[in-house]
Amino acid sequence: DVVLNQSPLSLPVAPGYPASITCTASQSLLNRARGHTYLAWFHQRPGQSPRRLIYKIFNRDPGVPDRFSGSGSASHFTLRISRVEAEDVGIYYCMQGTHWPYNFGQGTKLEIK
Amino acid sequence: QVQLQESGPGLVKPSETLTLTCTVSGDSINSDDYYWSWIRQPLGGALEYIGYIYHSGPTHYNPSLENRVSISIDSSRSQYSLHLNSVTAADTAVYYCVRGVNYVAVDHWGQGLLVAVSS
Repeated sequence: DVVLNQSPLSLPVAPGYPASITCTASQSLLNRARGHTYLAWFHQRPGQSPRRLIYKIFNRDPGVPDRFSGSGSASHFTLRISRVEAEDVGIYYCMQGTHWPYNFGQGTKLEIK
Repeated sequence: QVQLQESGPGLVKPSETLTLTCTVSGDSINSDDYYWSWIRQPLGGALEYIGYIYHSGPTHYNPSLENRVSISIDSSRSQYSLHLNSVTAADTAVYYCVRGVNYVAVDHWGQGLLVAVSS
């Protein structure tokens, strides 16, 4: 099975400052047959369901602020928030949908300083 | 806008079978574009993908649960169901039904249903 390691696991950030979360996979997430990499990012606020922010590495979902961006390739990926706002608190998960069983990283807890 | 809603018991006894149903509205469960998933999350824990089903019937189960899990679909009711047998306390979790889009990723999630396994 693919292992996804997120770093850091805890991320205190002051409002207006940038934040960055990395997700490293134990193998490449490139689907060679389709030429796509199925790596997504989700945000979960306390008591809520996860919400998808980014799919296929860098595609932002409708309604997601453009301060969120995704990058990476093969087995190394990054979610960046250009200027953190109070509503960004919660846990961020990366998820791979290339190799079955699909799975998630351990989660990164973002808190506001 | 598609909506998914989980339903079922909030408490199941050890060794019994957990059965949950997801009702899909706002989109067709029969679309070839989608697959219908179950994902769970222990309280304070990370997310675990249980499995998924296509409207035509094919299923994929996480090998860690494969000998205890099945997913079924009733397109006429726009519902699909999770069956997990021989449950233990380790199966206590919030269970989410989630839509997946082929060759993209899962996108829309239900609100989640907390199921406790306890005698």
